[in-house]
Amino acid sequence: GDSVTQMEGPVTLSEEAFLTINCTYTATGYPSLFWYVQYPGEGLQLLLKATKADDKGSNKGFEATYRKETTSFHLEKGSVQVSDSAVYFCALSAYSGGSNYKLTFGKGTLLTVNP
Amino acid sequence: DADVTQTPRNRITKTGKRIMLECSQTKGHDRMYWYRQDPGLGLRLIYYSFDVKDINKGEISDGYSVSRQAQAKFSLSLESAIPNQTALYFCATRDRESYNEQFFGPGTRLTVL
Repeated sequence: GDSVTQMEGPVTLSEEAFLTINCTYTATGYPSLFWYVQYPGEGLQLLLKATKADDKGSNKGFEATYRKETTSFHLEKGSVQVSDSAVYFCALSAYSGGSNYKLTFGKGTLLTVNP
Repeated sequence: DADVTQTPRNRITKTGKRIMLECSQTKGHDRMYWYRQDPGLGLRLIYYSFDVKDINKGEISDGYSVSRQAQAKFSLSLESAIPNQTALYFCATRDRESYNEQFFGPGTRLTVL
């Protein structure tokens, strides 16, 4: 079945540091890929997405490129801020029969950014 | 106002009690989902519904039941709560035309003693 593997946390960085959170996936067909973010005490919010190979999703300074050849969708940000502290989830959406698209999540990576 | 709301936000209950978690949405989406989140396990799908008459089990439906009272409302019940159902529960919605994005509620933190 489909699966998503993302780097285990926690990840602790200083403000203005470069961030990479690795994500690889296994899926049949052509999934769409997502990064969701969960701020403390809140639900998940879509951060960015890419629907086909070589697409780059970007939002709030974060970027991720859909790499079909390496089945990866790594999240990057050039200069993190304290307000970026959150849990980040990589996810894929794949057709699962009928009219259903199943969303499969990675286990999440906790990012803490210190001033 | 939030598009997807969940009540209660926090609940502490005892083993054996019946608990209902409620989800309402104003997005007009027909697809609704219930997930649970456990530390280190990510989100796992409990049940999902495509419309009022279409309810489907997810990967961890045992011990749970759902009711889709209207297009905008989707409730999750624990008939007899047990401690390993202590978790953070999320409701989500999706538009049938979008195979991509799901929109999540703020979550319900449930503790079963």
